[in-house]
Formats: sequence, C-alpha cells, structure tokens
Amino acid sequence: KAGVTQTPRYLIKTRGQQVTLSCSPISGHRSVSWYQQTPGQGLQFLFEYFSETQRNKGNFPGRFSGRQFSNSRSEMNVSTLELGDSALYLCASSWGQDHGELFFGEGSRLTVL
Amino acid sequence: SQQGEEDPQALSIQEGENATMNCSYKTSINNLQWYRQNSGRGLVHLILIRSNEREKHSGRLRVTLDTSKKSSSLLITASRAADTASYFCATDAKGYSTLTFGKGTMLLVSP
Repeated sequence: KAGVTQTPRYLIKTRGQQVTLSCSPISGHRSVSWYQQTPGQGLQFLFEYFSETQRNKGNFPGRFSGRQFSNSRSEMNVSTLELGDSALYLCASSWGQDHGELFFGEGSRLTVL
Repeated sequence: SQQGEEDPQALSIQEGENATMNCSYKTSINNLQWYRQNSGRGLVHLILIRSNEREKHSGRLRVTLDTSKKSSSLLITASRAADTASYFCATDAKGYSTLTFGKGTMLLVSP
C-alpha cells in the first residue's frame, strides 16, 4: 500500500512569507504527527492530530498551525517565516492513538532566505 | 531537554564489524523504539521494545532494554555499507503525551 506522502518535497521562501505543507497518511491511519528537524535541535514535535482533533501541540510559537481533514490528510502552516524556520518538516502517521510505530514521509525541505 | 539521548554521537566502522549504539532516558517508559534515517530522508521504524521486555531481535538487529538503568542498546551485526545512516531512539515515556526522539547516532560503515 502507498506510504505517507508529503508535498511539496522542496521549497524556498523569503522571510515574512507563509507556507503550507501537506501530508497524506497511509490509508486507514487516523493519527498524524508533525516534526521539525534541524541539525542543531534534532527532531522536535510540532503537532499530533487524531480524527480531525489536535491531541497535542509542541512548544512552538503561534505562527505554526495545523489541521486535519475528515479523510485524515493533514496540513501545517507557518506564517511570517523566519530564517530559523529553515528545516526538514516530517509527517508521520499511525493507525491509533497509542504511541506505537510511526510511518514517516520523506519530508518537506523548507529553506527561508 | 531530550527524553532520550543516544551515544555515541558518531560511529565509524568497517564493513563486517558490529555497531553498537546506546540510548539513555530519564523517566519511566511504556515502550522504546529505534528508527533509521538515511541522509535527508524520512525515518524508518526498526524495532519497538516494551517496558516488560528485555531483548528483541529483528534480522541483524538486536535491541536490549534495561529499565533499572534507563537505557537501551541497538546492536547491528555484520554491518554493511548500506547501514550507513543516522539512528534515533524514541521513547513513549510516562508523563509525556508524545513520542520523544533523541538527537541520534550517525553511523558510517566503510567498504
């Protein structure tokens, strides 16, 4: 079956712009999590959604937001981009709410100039 | 601070050798997982070990868990160049609402 699909894979933005990233989970998976990965901070948790409800949110400013649709697809949005937002954004899906195996997409590489 | 910390940060070995990576964590866990990431790609789940388990095997991978020391180790036997990647431990810790990742061990296997 198809894996987790993230789009776009690469994007370049300038400071002050906003960006929307998309994630399509594995069919049947209802939980989607987002992580930001940078060389300095490693993998940092952004959000977790289950059945369209945000279950958890990481320690990120309000410029970072997300949502999940009824078909479990998820989007995250970053407004007023800063240079420090340059990172690999990873989406992961799982079937349920327990913290079992996560299936990751290939990520969206965001560069902010 | 990170719940899980891997050690060493980087490891360089020759093909055929064994590679051992360690993960230490701070609070009691429900389970601990290991993931692999090839450069700039997504993470791939390797193995999950529950708090009541002490050892698990999967192919050339062996994971141990010592809850009294709050540590886990990942052993890759007979390493291959294709094992070159970063390896992360992730903990489902009691009192934490999400899976928490360490900063990883970078493994380089030279032919």
